[in-house]
Formats: sequence, C-alpha cells, structure tokens
Amino acid sequence: EAGVAQSPRYKIIEKRQSVAFWCNPISGHATLYWYQQILGQGPKLLIQFQNNGVVDDSQLPKDRFSAERLKGVDSTLKIQPAKLEDSAVYLCASSSLGDEQFFGPGTRLTVL
Amino acid sequence: AQSVTQPDIHITVSEGASLELRCNYSYGATPYLFWYVQSPGQGLQLLLKYFSGDTLVQGIKGFEAEFKRSQSSFNLRKPSVHWSDAAEYFCAARMDSSYKLIFGSGTRLLVRP
Repeated sequence: EAGVAQSPRYKIIEKRQSVAFWCNPISGHATLYWYQQILGQGPKLLIQFQNNGVVDDSQLPKDRFSAERLKGVDSTLKIQPAKLEDSAVYLCASSSLGDEQFFGPGTRLTVL
Repeated sequence: AQSVTQPDIHITVSEGASLELRCNYSYGATPYLFWYVQSPGQGLQLLLKYFSGDTLVQGIKGFEAEFKRSQSSFNLRKPSVHWSDAAEYFCAARMDSSYKLIFGSGTRLLVRP
C-alpha cells in the first residue's frame, strides 16, 4: 500500500513570496490533515478535511494560508505572502474516519 | 486548557539500557493517547495507541506504554534500547469528538554505543 505522498520535499523562498505544497493521501482515506511543525516543537494542526469539506481550520492563519481539496482526494496548502516565522516542516496526514493517522515525509520550508 | 506535556527535551541512554519517556496530559476526561516516532527527514510513525481497556499497551519495535489515570500520564518504555532507536518521540492525544491530535513538544533520544 502506497503511503502519503508530499511534494516538494524542500523549498527555500524569500519573505513575501508565495509557495504551495501538495499532498496525495492514502487511497480511500476520507480525512486529510495539514500540520505545521516548527523546529523544536510538536506538530500543530492547521486544517482538517473530511472528503472535500473543511472540518476544522481554527488554527489556520487565514490572512495568508489557504488550503483546498477540490475532488476529495489530493490537497494543496498555499502560503501567500510568506513570513520568516512560517519556516517549518509541513506535514500531511490521512486516515479513515476515526482511525490511525498516517503521515507523509513532510515539506521543509525555509523563508529567508 | 487541553495540552500534552513531555518534560524531557533530550534523553541519553546507553545501548542495551532501559528507557522511559514521560508524557502527561491535561484534559477533563480520558483522551485517546498515542506515541509516534520521527527519524530525521521522515514523517511520523505510530508506535502504539491507547483507547480503553488494558492500561499496558504493546507497540511495534519492542515498545510499550502504560496509562495511569491518577497521574494523567502515558509513559513510553523499552527494556533494552538499540542504536537504531535514536530519534524524536512524540506523545499525542485526541481529546474531543474531532479527530485532531494535540502533540507534545517531543523528546529527542540519543543512544550511546
């Protein structure tokens, strides 16, 4: 069974630029999560999708972050414009409803 | 407030020695509890989970954890550590009807040869 795929693995941008991350969950998993993991901290949930609907985006900085999951499968997370404090690893995870979350390898973002 | 605390930022043990990583949670009821491991450049891998029932749970790679309601703790243990266990370990909890995980800040395990 293929795992959660994420791309790119690494991204370096300058502040005020925009960036997008892509996630393809495990086939059949209806729930998709985006987490932000700042160096030295545990992951923090940014947004949770159930199929193509948003379940929880209470910790998503909506003035600069956006995410979509148009067909209920893969998802993109965008930051526009990026700030220095957005430097982090962005993890995507997926699950069947109520079951274990499986994590992708993450995208490491560096904002200069 | 709902939170998960891992009081040890770093722990160093000798290969073959026993290991215990601490985790405490703050919540008015019993949450679902998890331990994940993260190797450098890798995603998170689930080691074990506790939902209910037997308070001693067995996981992969020889790890186990014990849930203690009176102490609001879910400590991870391994009787004999291998060099390949060096990684970062995260405790996490699901505390409400959503499936959101709240993570601790992690404990980095270093293994001395």
